[in-house]
Amino acid sequence: QSALTQPASVSGSPGQSITISCTGTSSDVGDNNHVSWYQQHPGKAPKLMIYDVSNRPSGVSNRFSGSKSGNTASLTISGLRAEDEADYYCSSYTSKGVFGGGTKLTVL
Amino acid sequence: EVQLVESGGGLVQPGGSLRLSCAASGFTFSNYWMSWVRQAPGKGPEWVANMNQDGSEINYVDSVKGRFTISRDNAKNLLHLQMNSLRADDTAVYYCARDFGWSRYDYWGQGTLVTVSS
Repeated sequence: QSALTQPASVSGSPGQSITISCTGTSSDVGDNNHVSWYQQHPGKAPKLMIYDVSNRPSGVSNRFSGSKSGNTASLTISGLRAEDEADYYCSSYTSKGVFGGGTKLTVL
Repeated sequence: EVQLVESGGGLVQPGGSLRLSCAASGFTFSNYWMSWVRQAPGKGPEWVANMNQDGSEINYVDSVKGRFTISRDNAKNLLHLQMNSLRADDTAVYYCARDFGWSRYDYWGQGTLVTVSS
């Protein structure tokens, strides 16, 4: 069982917004502001989309945003597009890195 | 352009060994921590090991301690993972990743598949 809990799946229609949650504990998500989010298309490597809760690396669309409240972090994707359909993983800094189990996003 | 290219994966029997390599280019390899991250089929990623710039600081996930060894050759821009006493639950795609710290892996290779089976 993964240390961080994510919903197994979410879905939305093109143009809509969706939010994926990532729930940890006071020892990881709730302990610091070092939560990252990764996008993974089938057969591809993960791609960093958000780091330090809400920062976007260069080249990542501003349709992707992150936030955190207590022990739960969230990734919001606005203006859904077909190419956003992928698996999304959260990660939180601890003494050893920990990832969530992943959320499959389906764009209807 | 940053590139990370893994090699060395394959099919190995339980108890066997494999050595993975990761060739880095497009950045100053010796300036960065590097990590190995694995992903079992249908599962989320799992951080395995990391190493600092000069190899003086190394960390492992508990499940591989004493069996896996991470190393690097800064002169050749190479990262390695020596895997011994392999078990079925080590079966995964193994990625090398540039480790920016604080759970921020900003570049990943394409991965190499390790299958442990008799």
